[in-house]
Amino acid sequence: DSGVTQTPKHLITATGQRVTLRCSPRSGDLSVYWYQQSLDQGLQFLIQYYNGEERAKGNILERFSAQQFPDLHSELNLSSLELGDSALYFCASSDDPGTLTDTQYFGPGTRLTVL
Amino acid sequence: DAKTTQPNSMESNEEEPVHLPCNHSTISGTDYIHWYRQLPSQGPEYVIHGLTSNVNNRMASLAIAEDRKSSTLILHRATLRDAAVYYCILRDGETSGSRLTFGEGTQLTVNP
Repeated sequence: DSGVTQTPKHLITATGQRVTLRCSPRSGDLSVYWYQQSLDQGLQFLIQYYNGEERAKGNILERFSAQQFPDLHSELNLSSLELGDSALYFCASSDDPGTLTDTQYFGPGTRLTVL
Repeated sequence: DAKTTQPNSMESNEEEPVHLPCNHSTISGTDYIHWYRQLPSQGPEYVIHGLTSNVNNRMASLAIAEDRKSSTLILHRATLRDAAVYYCILRDGETSGSRLTFGEGTQLTVNP
């Protein structure tokens, strides 16, 4: 158990819909990362937040957005869903972001299926 | 980011050592070498990291070539629970920041 929690575990929805994925980082970790894992793209970094502020952006679509709240939990919002958005979405938190030696702790993931 | 090259798959027998290679010929002097693994149906999990010297922890050992163009993750006694995809990742603060850039990884199969 990494200490990172994600809800829901599974999500099935239809094209065009909007969903929200939730992540609670490990106690004391200020930084949250979102990654997407699909069969064709592998594991890809989407976005990072640190203490409520966006820190880095990766291959995140404009239809996707995220935020980190004062209690440090984070939400990833996916809108106008397409079939290709079906994937596993992982959240990770870090014990010492900004260094090259920090460890990222990953949650169990949310499996999104778009029908 | 500097690229890494790993074999697509490797096989091992239970209780035998496993050496997982990673080539990173374009590594720069400040790149750290990290290894993560992903067990079936789970999120990735940190294994070990190093810069120049060999490193040991409770999970594995990391052997880094003198020229740093390659490294090897060593599992001293493989168990069935070690069956996973192993990712070798270079972390360069200038270009990648805190993000992890995952490649294809090596699928390790452990035979009983």
